[in-house]
Amino acid sequence: AQTVTQSQPEMSVQEAETVTLSCTYDTSESNYYLFWYKQPPSRQMILVIRQEAYKQQNATENRFSVNFQKAAKSFSLKISDSQLGDTAMYFCAFIALSGNTPLVFGKGTRLSVIA
Amino acid sequence: EAGVAQSPRYKIIEKRQSVAFWCNPISGHATLYWYQQILGQGPKLLIQFQNNGVVDDSQLPKDRFSAERLKGVDSTLKIQPAKLEDSAVYLCASSLGRLRAQYFGPGTRLLVL
Repeated sequence: AQTVTQSQPEMSVQEAETVTLSCTYDTSESNYYLFWYKQPPSRQMILVIRQEAYKQQNATENRFSVNFQKAAKSFSLKISDSQLGDTAMYFCAFIALSGNTPLVFGKGTRLSVIA
Repeated sequence: EAGVAQSPRYKIIEKRQSVAFWCNPISGHATLYWYQQILGQGPKLLIQFQNNGVVDDSQLPKDRFSAERLKGVDSTLKIQPAKLEDSAVYLCASSLGRLRAQYFGPGTRLLVL
């Protein structure tokens, strides 16, 4: 079974600074996708970024980028130029391409952006 | 494009009562998911539909939870009878397929007293 671990329950960052959220996962699969989802307070969860395991290039989406280390099974999220609207719970998630296994989420990291 | 709709947004019931949640996915999305999110944890999949067929319900407590997706569109999730530990946010999501991005609704916050 796949597991996703987010070791930082809470983090804070000053506005305009850069912050990195950590995620590690455990799997015997070789083909999979990884995701970061954002859940703002009292608002719905939205997809931030996606990484295909077969791609060596790290995914980037505007101020959001990932550091994907397949051998280390690590998938961190970097947020540059942090904004107050980035305050949210961030969930790392994994899905294997084979079979019908579901999307597996970590427990989340609560990020607070401070003015 | 309209997002995933859920109702009600909040529900308070007493233990042993029954409750039902409704979800309307994004038009054209064949895959629909129900998740349970307990405070301080990530979402846990309860059931996944592909059109109107069940793909995965391995983590659904079938003695008290049931779900259906009529005509492959709207879906309802029912709990009967509810227990205190069912207090959680119930999220509905939809996607074009299992490996595609999931779009989440606002959730239903359930409190069982």
